[in-house]
Amino acid sequence: GEDVEQSLFLSVREGDSSVINCTYTDSSSTYLYWYKQEPGAGLQLLTYIFSNMDMKQDQRLTVLLNKKDKHLSLRIADTQTGDSAIYFCAERGSGAGSYQLTFGKGTKLSVIP
Amino acid sequence: DVKVTQSSRYLVKRTGEKVFLECVQDMDHENMFWYRQDPGLGLRLIYFSYDVKMKEKGDIPEGYSVSREKKERFSLILESASTNQTSMYLCASSSGSRTLNEKLFFGSGTQLSVL
Repeated sequence: GEDVEQSLFLSVREGDSSVINCTYTDSSSTYLYWYKQEPGAGLQLLTYIFSNMDMKQDQRLTVLLNKKDKHLSLRIADTQTGDSAIYFCAERGSGAGSYQLTFGKGTKLSVIP
Repeated sequence: DVKVTQSSRYLVKRTGEKVFLECVQDMDHENMFWYRQDPGLGLRLIYFSYDVKMKEKGDIPEGYSVSREKKERFSLILESASTNQTSMYLCASSSGSRTLNEKLFFGSGTQLSVL
């Protein structure tokens, strides 16, 4: 089946930029998503990008998509302690199973004050 | 804002008990999903439903069943709970608008411990 890979941990200092990377295998991916999960909570949609775009910026968040390499990244500028969370990359294909998202295992971001 | 409500935040059950996890959404969404989340394994889809009384198996349906008698409610049932079903259970919904950019909205999760 399709797969989404992320590194499990990232640690940054407050004020620095964070870059969370994700690779996926489904060449028919249509939309790619970043979700944030704060401790003890469900997942919250942060941002998404359509597969024909290279970049999307939303305030402190920048999403970069390299469709050729099937690589997605999320950059958080001026990282704050409130950004500490688990970040999930997810992709939606275009086929019969497109009701579903395929999620990565999540990257736990720790922000050091 | 879409609200997805899971009935319990924490549950403790004994092995062999029948367990019901309830989820309600208030935005008239057609699609509803049950995931379990385990450390190092991420989210795994158990079952989903794209209409009332319809259900589809996800990646790990064994040991679970579901019920969708009303559009707003999707129940996950553990017929005979086992210790390996100790996990965080997350319910989600999406509009079912048939556009490919269907966003998932999640509940806060139910942490189930089976002793």
